[in-house]
Amino acid sequence: EAGVAQSPRYKIIEKRQSVAFWCNPISGHATLYWYQQILGQGPKLLIQFQNNGVVDDSQLPKDRFSAERLKGVDSTLKIQPAKLEDSAVYLCASSFDRAQTYEQYFGPGTRLTVT
Amino acid sequence: AQSVTQLDSQVPVFEEAPVELRCNYSSSVSVYLFWYVQYPNQGLQLLLKYLSGSTLVKGINGFEAEFNKSQTSFHLRKPSVHISDTAEYFCAVSGFSNTGNQFYFGTGTSLTVIP
Repeated sequence: EAGVAQSPRYKIIEKRQSVAFWCNPISGHATLYWYQQILGQGPKLLIQFQNNGVVDDSQLPKDRFSAERLKGVDSTLKIQPAKLEDSAVYLCASSFDRAQTYEQYFGPGTRLTVT
Repeated sequence: AQSVTQLDSQVPVFEEAPVELRCNYSSSVSVYLFWYVQYPNQGLQLLLKYLSGSTLVKGINGFEAEFNKSQTSFHLRKPSVHISDTAEYFCAVSGFSNTGNQFYFGTGTSLTVIP
């Protein structure tokens, strides 16, 4: 089975610019997660979707970050405008069902560098 | 609230020696526990998980972990490491609370296997 796909793999932008990341979860997985992993730290959950609805976005900086999953499959995460501290790897993960989020499958991540 | 503490940020070990990576958690609800491995420039891969039942859990690549409820620990062990085990290891906890399902990662332990 195909894994979680993410693009781009790398992105370099200047501060105050905008950027968007794309994620395609494993087919049939209803739950999708976006994590931010800053160098030297563990992944931090930004937002969790169940189908196309938001389950948890309590740690998403909503003044600059936004995410959507319009058709309950692919998802995009946007940052506008970017700050230096947004430099991190953005990981997308999916799981089969919210009530059984016993295992999350991760994509390779997008490494963002903000200069 | 839940949290995960990985006590060692870096663990160097000689090839074919045993290794233990420590993980402690705090939670006010029943939890599920996980160990993930992250190879350079890759996403996270599940090593093993504890959901219920036997407290000794066996995973891939010869790793195992023991759930100790009284000590709130879930340490990862391998009796004999290989060069290919060099990677970042993350402990994670998941559990349901009144705000829904939460998934938290520790800060990671960098395992370096020395030839």
